[in-house]
Amino acid sequence: DGGITQSPKYLFRKEGQNVTLSCEQNLNHDAMYWYRQDPGQGLRLIYYSQIVNDFQKGDIAEGYSVSREKKESFPLTVTSAQKNPTAFYLCASSTDRVRTSNQPQHFGDGTRLSIL
Amino acid sequence: KQEVTQIPAALSVPEGENLVLNCSFTDSAIYNLQWFRQDPGKGLTSLLLIQSSQREQTSGRLNASLDKSSGRSTLYIAASQPGDSATYLCAVRPMDSSYKLIFGSGTRLLVRP
Repeated sequence: DGGITQSPKYLFRKEGQNVTLSCEQNLNHDAMYWYRQDPGQGLRLIYYSQIVNDFQKGDIAEGYSVSREKKESFPLTVTSAQKNPTAFYLCASSTDRVRTSNQPQHFGDGTRLSIL
Repeated sequence: KQEVTQIPAALSVPEGENLVLNCSFTDSAIYNLQWFRQDPGKGLTSLLLIQSSQREQTSGRLNASLDKSSGRSTLYIAASQPGDSATYLCAVRPMDSSYKLIFGSGTRLLVRP
């Protein structure tokens, strides 16, 4: 089945540690996104990528980094510079090639990150 | 700056009731508006997407309307069922931002048997 796979489902970070969240999609989508969701709140955009080897900062990129070496994969690294990393992280993808596209975004099942 | 608001934050109804969820946005310059469903601890499932030129979209028991000029959208759920219990999020795609969705904080719906 086509879809978006995020792993792990739960992740714990120690002080000063970098951790990487995986996102893989087999939908052949060009665009991929990372969002952060805090309790009782909507989603906020961290980074997005429209095409391989290109990515752009979203609204809350500080303390995070990404790479897009393959079309199917868009890993997110939460660095030690992110002082409040506890949240639910969601990866999404879409077929967007242009800004005016009306294609919906499809989401993975998320990774819950907590501090030890 | 575009802001999206969803009221109420939580709603509890008996099974079989028809209900309306509300979403409002401050800037009418949008490409589209999307409604999502989120089950506890899960990702988002896209329910309906309304383009800026459209007034409504329907899928089964769900009907979403869009009034761009007044900055409002509603999600109508007919004959609610306990399986409809979830958080419903709306999001707009603003014209002044590339590829970004602006989300509301959601309405948590409980349908009681």
